Formats: sequence, structure tokens, C-alpha cells
Amino acid sequence: QKEVEQDPGPLSVPEGAIVSLNCTYSNSAFQYFMWYRQYSRKGPELLMYTYSSGNKEDGRFTAQVDKSSKYISLFIRDSQPSDSATYLCATANDYKLSFGAGTTVTVRA
Amino acid sequence: DAGVTQSPTHLIKTRGQQVTLRCSPISGHKSVSWYQQVLGQGPQFIFQYYEKEERGRGNFPDRFSARQFPNYSSELNVNALLLGDSALYLCASSFSVWTDSISRTLSGELFFGEGSRLTVL
Repeated sequence: QKEVEQDPGPLSVPEGAIVSLNCTYSNSAFQYFMWYRQYSRKGPELLMYTYSSGNKEDGRFTAQVDKSSKYISLFIRDSQPSDSATYLCATANDYKLSFGAGTTVTVRA
Repeated sequence: DAGVTQSPTHLIKTRGQQVTLRCSPISGHKSVSWYQQVLGQGPQFIFQYYEKEERGRGNFPDRFSARQFPNYSSELNVNALLLGDSALYLCASSFSVWTDSISRTLSGELFFGEGSRLTVL
């Protein structure tokens, strides 16, 4: 069983729509949860991270963690064409990050 | 300030050959990690080095090796290349190693380079 599972999509939405991305994880010991954004032919860049359960908001982005169900979510409000990218969820454990497969999002103008 | 730099950006090898990939971390960062990203998948952890010592190793065969130099740059070596080694190899640097004891902050936050794309024919 993979440590982090993520639906690879792809996901296509019109500009201005809300994008909803989800992951599940297997190890209840995980405490840190991250979302990375990866543009084509670039390395991943950290968008947001949360510690334990709860919500965190940063502008148009909201990350949620529900440790009881081992569920991680990212919401993008008022999506823009510049948000078109692959979004990777990840958990941190000691010295490494465990990534999901990534969901490719296209925001249509 | 320069970000994480990797070289070469692209390379093509044939099965059985050996390859060396290079990484220069962000100035002041002492930890370097290597990840392999196969097309359509998320990055998979290969190694982490901190202060020139190996701190962690992922589930990769012994054909994969790495080292960190006194200036904190790093090399990843892969011997006896297989077709399945074709991937984007990502280097990431961080100020320190990730640990829960660091007051829930991200001093261990990883900054990724743009990767070295290896094609094995």
C-alpha cells in the first residue's frame, strides 16, 4: 500500500471555478502535510503545509487535514489559468517526503 | 539569490552505462535530498545528506549512490542503467533536516531544482 494516494485526474475547470483536490494517507503517525505545485518541466514548489488536523488558508488556497479519516484536501478559489499545473500532496516523516501521484489541473480561460 | 541548480538538464544514456548527476544547493543550506520522478508519478525519495553524512535512504538498489562534498554540493551516481531508470531526477536542498522537534516550523522545508531528465535507451 502506498503511503499517500492521490487521484491523478486530469481535472479541467473553467476560470473562476473552485478546484478541489484530495489525498488519503496510510500512516497515522504522520503529522505534517504539504501541497506542492509543479509546472511543466519545473521542480515542485511548496504551496502550503499544515501540522496535524485543521484548516489553513493562504489567499485563494485552503488546505484541510482530517486525521480521523486520514484525508488531505486543497481548495483553490477563483481559479485562474495561471493555476494550471500538477498539484502534489505530501507527508513528511523524519528525513523524507512521501508524495502522491499528483493531480494535473487545467483552468480554461 | 540562486536557487538549487542541477546539471546536466537533459541526458541520454544506453543500458548498462553509468551516469553522474550534480546538484548545488541554495547558499547556506546544509542538507541535500535526491528524488526520482517517473513520468506521471510523484517524486520518490532516494537519499538525504546532511553535513556530508547520509541521513536517509529510500527503497532503491545499490546501483544508486550519492555523496555530499564539503561545500554541500552533491552528486548522484547510477550504475548499470536500466530502461526503468528513465526519469526526472530532482535535487532539493534545505537549511536543516526535517524533524518534529523543530517547533513545528519548516526549517527543513525542501527547495527543489528543475531536475535532470535522464533517458535510458
